[in-house]
Amino acid sequence: EAGVTQFPSHSVIEKGQTVTLRCDPISGHDNLYWYRRVMGKEIKFLLHFVKESKQDESGMPNNRFLAERTGGTYSTLKVQPAELEDSGVYFCASSQPGTAYTEAFFGQGTRLTVV
Amino acid sequence: AQTVTQSQPEMSVQEAETVTLSCTYDTSENNYYLFWYKQPPSRQMILVIRQEAYKQQNATENRFSVNFQKAAKSFSLKISDSQLGDTAMYFCAFMISSNTGKLIFGQGTTLQVKP
Repeated sequence: EAGVTQFPSHSVIEKGQTVTLRCDPISGHDNLYWYRRVMGKEIKFLLHFVKESKQDESGMPNNRFLAERTGGTYSTLKVQPAELEDSGVYFCASSQPGTAYTEAFFGQGTRLTVV
Repeated sequence: AQTVTQSQPEMSVQEAETVTLSCTYDTSENNYYLFWYKQPPSRQMILVIRQEAYKQQNATENRFSVNFQKAAKSFSLKISDSQLGDTAMYFCAFMISSNTGKLIFGQGTTLQVKP
């Protein structure tokens, strides 16, 4: 079974441009999370989808970030316009539905560099 | 608010020896989970070990074990008989039990296992 996959693996864009990151969760995983790690710092939560609904978007930095999960399958995270401080590694994770703990599986991440 | 602190940015260990990675956290919650995740170079992050806060017994997974000190809010990871494949970035993470799977991470510790 395929794991969580993220596209692209690397992206270098100029300040002011738009970038869209994609995450394909494990099939059947209703929960989908986006996280970000800025160089040398902790991994920070951005938002959580349950199917196509945003359950918690408290970690989204500002309105330049837009996350979608149409149809409750894959998700995209768009940054428009990108700023230098948006550089970092963006991780996606997914987990099965359930009221108790279910393990989150992570993708390899997308390394975004804004120049 | 919950925080997780890893005070060792980098560590190294000789192959076959034992190493301990430190993690402290801060929370007012009583029911939560603690995790250690491993991210090998250019690969996805995987769960190494999980500890439920209500369990007094320390979790173990083969060569990996934790020292969970709830009163001290400490959660260290011990790797016995270190192998070259253990070279990776290690992240300590926290999750409130009643939460929806949102993880709070520390800054990470880069572990180098030397032959």
